[in-house]
Amino acid sequence: GENVEQHPSTLSVQEGDSAVIKCTYSDSASNYFPWYKQELGKGPQLIIDIRSNVGEKKDQRIAVTLNKTAKHFSLHITETQPEDSAVYFCAASQVQGTDKLIFGTGTRLQVFP
Amino acid sequence: ETGVTQTPRHLVMGMTNKKSLKCEQHLGHNAMYWYKQSAKKPLELMFVYNFKEQTENNSVPSRFSPECPNSSHLFLHLHTLQPEDSALYLCASSPDRVAEKLFFGSGTQLSVL
Repeated sequence: GENVEQHPSTLSVQEGDSAVIKCTYSDSASNYFPWYKQELGKGPQLIIDIRSNVGEKKDQRIAVTLNKTAKHFSLHITETQPEDSAVYFCAASQVQGTDKLIFGTGTRLQVFP
Repeated sequence: ETGVTQTPRHLVMGMTNKKSLKCEQHLGHNAMYWYKQSAKKPLELMFVYNFKEQTENNSVPSRFSPECPNSSHLFLHLHTLQPEDSALYLCASSPDRVAEKLFFGSGTQLSVL
């Protein structure tokens, strides 16, 4: 089955700097890769997702890149702000193949003013 | 906020108690999910319902019993739990069964004494 590894487990950056979180997956059949943000006391919220037929996707200050050959994908946050502080989860699944999203273990991002 | 409401937010129960967690979604989605979130572990999928029918039981112990009376409501009945069952239990919904674009509730923080 699919296995998703996520690094780093914690990340501290200064406000205005960039943050990068990386995930690797094991199943080459996986074709859908979402990222979720979980703020304290709340459930995870989808912030961006990418499919395997696309190499990069951007939405304002966040972007996700996918390398299918190496089976890894990354979340990039530019011009970080204190409100970006949260736990970020990557996930992988096979669209139209399964009900299962396999999640990474999460990265706690702290943005210091 | 997300359209998925979970009650109660916190629950403390003894090992011999019986309790139920409730989830309601106001998004018109067809699929609903129960996830378990434990510290330093990936989110674990427990159950999936699609159009009120259970489509996934991820080897969950029988002391957890789900119920989905309609597409908007999902329950998790708990009995004779163990201390290791203490965790955050998250409900989610999605437009269809392929686990894309999950909308999570804020969860029920469960403590088993």
